[in-house]
Amino acid sequence: DSGVTQTPKHLITATGQRVTLRCSPRSGDLSVYWYQQSLDQGLQFLIQYYNGEERAKGNILERFSAQQFPDLHSELNLSSLELGDSALYFCASSGAQGYFNNEQFFGPGTRLTVL
Amino acid sequence: SQQGEEDPQALSIQEGENATMNCSYKTSINNLQWYRQNSGRGLVHLILIRSNEREKHSGRLRVTLDTSKKSSSLLITASRAADTASYFCATLGGGADGLTFGKGTHLIIQP
Repeated sequence: DSGVTQTPKHLITATGQRVTLRCSPRSGDLSVYWYQQSLDQGLQFLIQYYNGEERAKGNILERFSAQQFPDLHSELNLSSLELGDSALYFCASSGAQGYFNNEQFFGPGTRLTVL
Repeated sequence: SQQGEEDPQALSIQEGENATMNCSYKTSINNLQWYRQNSGRGLVHLILIRSNEREKHSGRLRVTLDTSKKSSSLLITASRAADTASYFCATLGGGADGLTFGKGTHLIIQP
């Protein structure tokens, strides 16, 4: 158990809909990262928040957005869903020592299926 | 986009044998990390090697890093059935803080 929790575990929805994925980082971790894992794209970094502020962006679509709240939990919002958005979405967190040279602890993921 | 490329894509060995996986990457890095994933579950961090390190050990794991060749290898000694999983290398560069993952090596340990 990494200490990172994600809800829900599974999500099935229809094209055009909007969903919110939730992540609670390990106690004390200030950085939260979101990743997408799909069969064709593999594991891709989407976005990072550090202590409530957006820190870095990866391959995140404009239809997707995220935020980190004062209690450090984070939400990833996916809107106007398409079939190709079906994937495993992982949240990871890392420690307060700084951005670099830190291992990241991954949650169990949310499996999103868009029908 | 993927930076790391693991080799081989799949590896099947007998229990007790050693397994070696290789990873190549393209740009300069701060560190390189190896992760394990069991069948679509979450990723488990195995080991982190910094760009100024050449070799690191953790239990049955040995990781090497050659920054001149932009490559790394993961050796699992005395493999066990429980080591069956996908193994990913991930690099952390000087820009964004997100990890860039390779496509992974699927390791199967035959009992």
